[in-house]
Amino acid sequence: DVKVTQSSRYLVKRTGEKVFLECVQDMDHENMFWYRQDPGLGLRLIYFSYDVKMKEKGDIPEGYSVSREKKERFSLILESASTNQTSMYLCASSLRETGEKLFFGSGTQLSVL
Amino acid sequence: AQKVTQAQTEISVVEKEDVTLDCVYETRDTTYYLFWYKQPPSGELVFLIRRNSFDEQNEISGRYSWNFQKSTSSFNFTITASQVVDSAVYFCALSEAWMAGANNLFFGTGTRLTVIP
Repeated sequence: DVKVTQSSRYLVKRTGEKVFLECVQDMDHENMFWYRQDPGLGLRLIYFSYDVKMKEKGDIPEGYSVSREKKERFSLILESASTNQTSMYLCASSLRETGEKLFFGSGTQLSVL
Repeated sequence: AQKVTQAQTEISVVEKEDVTLDCVYETRDTTYYLFWYKQPPSGELVFLIRRNSFDEQNEISGRYSWNFQKSTSSFNFTITASQVVDSAVYFCALSEAWMAGANNLFFGTGTRLTVIP
């Protein structure tokens, strides 16, 4: 079974802090994604990566950056957390050949106070 | 521009009832793909189905069935004889062929289904 693991289920941070959300997948998938999920807005793509050291902006990249130094790991970075970044963050991965068949992690509920 | 509309925010049914979740989409592309994902309380979205725009055949998988109608731009999902384990948030999504490789799915806002025992 594909497993996508997000480092924390719940996280509480203060405004202005630098926040790292980590995601690891164990099935050698080329593609990795970060989404945020907000009530009434569904899932919105923040960044994605289709290879090591490659990254592409999604629909809402402002205030975020990403890092993919190894194929299995995709990190989302909030340089200076703000209250409007309080959200559920979902990591996903997929094979290049079946790109839209995503495998998701369980999510990290981030609260910025 | 792409758009996916799930007008039903929340639905409650009693166990064993049938329920249909609606999905309406907009796209200017002639080649596109439609998806349904399930998000149980554990939070992890699970892929259910992928259909391409050239295949309008309805699909059945156990108690699940999908009705794709290009004429009305709809891709509805029916659960027959619902069970408590079907309680989840269900997302419909669209991917346009020209973005293949970008792997960008446009998600609807989701429908929360509660099955009451």
